[in-house]
Amino acid sequence: GAGVSQTPSNKVTEKGKYVELRCDPISGHTALYWYRQSLGQGPEFLIYFQGTGAADDSGLPNDRFFAVRPEGSVSTLKIQRTERGDSAVYLCASSSRLAGAESNTGELFFGEGSRLTVL
Amino acid sequence: AQTVTQSQPEMSVQEAETVTLSCTYDTSENNYYLFWYKQPPSRQMILVIRQEAYKQQNATENRFSVNFQKAAKSFSLKISDSQLGDTAMYFCAFLTSGTYKYIFGTGTRLKVLA
Repeated sequence: GAGVSQTPSNKVTEKGKYVELRCDPISGHTALYWYRQSLGQGPEFLIYFQGTGAADDSGLPNDRFFAVRPEGSVSTLKIQRTERGDSAVYLCASSSRLAGAESNTGELFFGEGSRLTVL
Repeated sequence: AQTVTQSQPEMSVQEAETVTLSCTYDTSENNYYLFWYKQPPSRQMILVIRQEAYKQQNATENRFSVNFQKAAKSFSLKISDSQLGDTAMYFCAFLTSGTYKYIFGTGTRLKVLA
């Protein structure tokens, strides 16, 4: 597709369940980010991929959160034993390369997010 | 560590009027980028305008312009001739050149009134 696609758009689950959130970035974008956005807040960094590897996962809140990008394109954010505090919108974004590199605007292209509600 | 502060949680403006959204940031870096992103109720964030710190000239994009004051570490967004479709959350963001970690402010909710 032309833009960043995220599925599901909404997910309601029970406390303790496992969830997967999927992100399909813009074709050819090597950089992929996951952010978490709580109500009334700005996006909070979770993890950054450059290609297949997680270059920085320092924003993941704890070991219940994990993300993969096995082929350098689609990424999946996995949350185990969900808690009510995990309820938020999870945003995925991609970009072509690092800001400052030639011909790069530094612009992030965002998906519409996946709203996770943990009951 | 870099920080981005948006001190106006909510603002409103009459259609066709001009409004200015404030953003300040803190950094010891000299080369960086500043952005304003718009997030309408549909949730998808889109880039409004971008400024390179090494450029003295303020960026403009049609009805959107910035007032970049590097010494004061201020980066305000001016929206002229406000339209109903400008109603959204606006986020200021900072990125050190050559890095990947964007820092976002907490946002300003703008409502354009008919």
